Amino acid sequence: GESVGLHLPTLSVQEGDNSIINCAYSNSASDYFIWYKQESGKGPQFIIDIRSNMDKRQGQRVTVLLNKTVKHLSLQIAATQPGDSAVYFCADETDSWGKLQFGAGTQVVVTP
Amino acid sequence: DAGVIQSPRHEVTEMGQEVTLRCKPISGHNSLFWYRQTMMRGLELLIYFNNNVPIDDSGMPEDRFSAKMPNASFSTLKIQPSEPRDSAVYFCASSPTGGQRGYTFGSGTRLTVV
Repeated sequence: GESVGLHLPTLSVQEGDNSIINCAYSNSASDYFIWYKQESGKGPQFIIDIRSNMDKRQGQRVTVLLNKTVKHLSLQIAATQPGDSAVYFCADETDSWGKLQFGAGTQVVVTP
Repeated sequence: DAGVIQSPRHEVTEMGQEVTLRCKPISGHNSLFWYRQTMMRGLELLIYFNNNVPIDDSGMPEDRFSAKMPNASFSTLKIQPSEPRDSAVYFCASSPTGGQRGYTFGSGTRLTVV
């Protein structure tokens, strides 16, 4: 029979535009959140993190926003470039040992 | 720093054979995690260690899977006997205790069981 895989949400973005990737988490006790980027054939790579005592954190071309009230996390990428094409995962830390719970991921496709 | 090193990068084996995947974490990182990634299930945590001690192996799918961490610089994930449904990319990741900066992932081992 036909195999069914995960249907990743896909975000198509024109080069130069801003991207916004959204993520919902379920554990209200989580206090540390991370965004990862995974390019084809590679392992996930750390992009930016945020602790629950903050609601916004900025990096180079990336901003993470945290809304604890609705348990929502977003990643904004400014001036999206072809090299930003990848799958993006959010993750939250679920125990004191550093265990992370990953979301399903969002595929970002940058078009010229 | 060479990062997390996994070997082999690719492994093709016949059903029923034993497979051993290897991981060298970043020096000084106290936690080590084994993940499996498939199209069907995404990233699944199999097992993790802290200071070489297994903390949670509830993600290990069956008794055919086992993992060891004999010292702070080496871990193995073994599948015996392997089955075609074990085909996946297996990632190792390490982090300082408490995940202060999240994980650093290795490049993964792509396992194909035929």
